[in-house]
Amino acid sequence: KNQVEQSPQSLIILEGKNCTLQCNYTVSPFSNLRWYKQDTGRGPVSLTIMTFSENTKSNGRYTATLDADTKQSSLHITASQLSDSASYICVVSAKAAGNKLTFGGGTRVLVKP
Amino acid sequence: GAGVSQSPSNKVTEKGKDVELRCDPISGHTALYWYRQSLGQGLEFLIYFQGNSAPDKSGLPSDRFSAERTGGSVSTLTIQRTQQEDSAVYLCASSLEVGRGGTEAFFGQGTRLTVV
Repeated sequence: KNQVEQSPQSLIILEGKNCTLQCNYTVSPFSNLRWYKQDTGRGPVSLTIMTFSENTKSNGRYTATLDADTKQSSLHITASQLSDSASYICVVSAKAAGNKLTFGGGTRVLVKP
Repeated sequence: GAGVSQSPSNKVTEKGKDVELRCDPISGHTALYWYRQSLGQGLEFLIYFQGNSAPDKSGLPSDRFSAERTGGSVSTLTIQRTQQEDSAVYLCASSLEVGRGGTEAFFGQGTRLTVV
């Protein structure tokens, strides 16, 4: 069964500090993995996409990594800002047609001043 | 429309009443997902549609929950005899079919359901 597990479930960090969110998946055959950011009261929005051949991709202060061998991805937030307070959701897509996207439960990040 | 539209944006209902939540996906998106987020909790999968059929409804928490999709477009999530534990934000997302370029899910703003 295709599954996506995220950790931690939630975390609190001080403004300016870094943090790393984890995503482990069992989706097969793997096509790509996306990280979404969900601000409070809004729907999730795509931050970055990782394909099989990509190891690292950055979007501003957000850096995503992918290890397709261990089926793990991480999202690193550098020099956190109050606006980074949100839920971050990992979504994995399989190659085979007819398969649905598999969503992780998300990690809730709270950045405190 | 330009994006996924959900209505109503907020719904307050009395315990025991039935509610209907609507999702209007992006035109041409054959895949449609319903999720919910309870207060302080993560995303919880409810049901997945491919076209008008629901190949995965494993996340529906009880037989009080049902969903349908007509014309491969609009979907309605119905909750019968609502309970307080049904209070949550119900999110809808749509995408192109996986395997045919469908790698990004586009989410609506959600319906915040409060059962009192």
